[in-house]
Amino acid sequence: SQTIHQWPATLVQPVGSPLSLECTVEGTSNPNLYWYRQAAGRGLQLLFYSVGIGQISSEVPQNLSASRPQDRQFILSSKKLLLSDSSFYLCAWSAKGGFNQPQHFGDGTRLSIL
Amino acid sequence: AQSVTQLDSHVSVSEGTPVLLRCNYSSSYSPSLFWYVQHPNKGLQLLLKYTSAATLVKGINGFEAEFKKSETSFHLTKPSAHMSDAAEYFCVVSPMNRDDKIIFGKGTRLHILP
Repeated sequence: SQTIHQWPATLVQPVGSPLSLECTVEGTSNPNLYWYRQAAGRGLQLLFYSVGIGQISSEVPQNLSASRPQDRQFILSSKKLLLSDSSFYLCAWSAKGGFNQPQHFGDGTRLSIL
Repeated sequence: AQSVTQLDSHVSVSEGTPVLLRCNYSSSYSPSLFWYVQHPNKGLQLLLKYTSAATLVKGINGFEAEFKKSETSFHLTKPSAHMSDAAEYFCVVSPMNRDDKIIFGKGTRLHILP
């Protein structure tokens, strides 16, 4: 069966520090991969998605970036965190077929910026 | 352009009574529609999906949803609430063309009263 792992579960970082959140998928190959941000009381905001290694689509301009160095690995990064980056970050995967395919989510990373 | 509106931010029902979570959508094309559930500090889990095969969709944990094109609605129901149903529920509309993006509703928090 397929599984998705995100780490760390919680993270506290100072303003201006770098960020690296990692997501890996097991039990499937060539998935579509997604990064979302979820603010309290609001729905999910799609940040990035990837249909293959090295292929990244950015949905929202900001100080975050994403990379896909391997087929089942998706990384969310920042060179300098802002206070406004405090949020709950979720990684997801789906089978090929675009956004019509159900997405399967990791348990998220709670990021707090001090 | 697509949009999705969850009409209630909070719903409270007694254990054993029916659940109704309301969702209205707007789409230029026949959309794919999803309901996801999220428990605290967890990722989202797919409850059910509509993709035009049948207007009444059955999902996991006894939930179902009915697609009503004339009312542009996709309400989620369950005949009898269980304490374990307490969570946040998201209605999602998915694009059918390249110009639209996946859109998550803002969520409905379901409270189950003993």
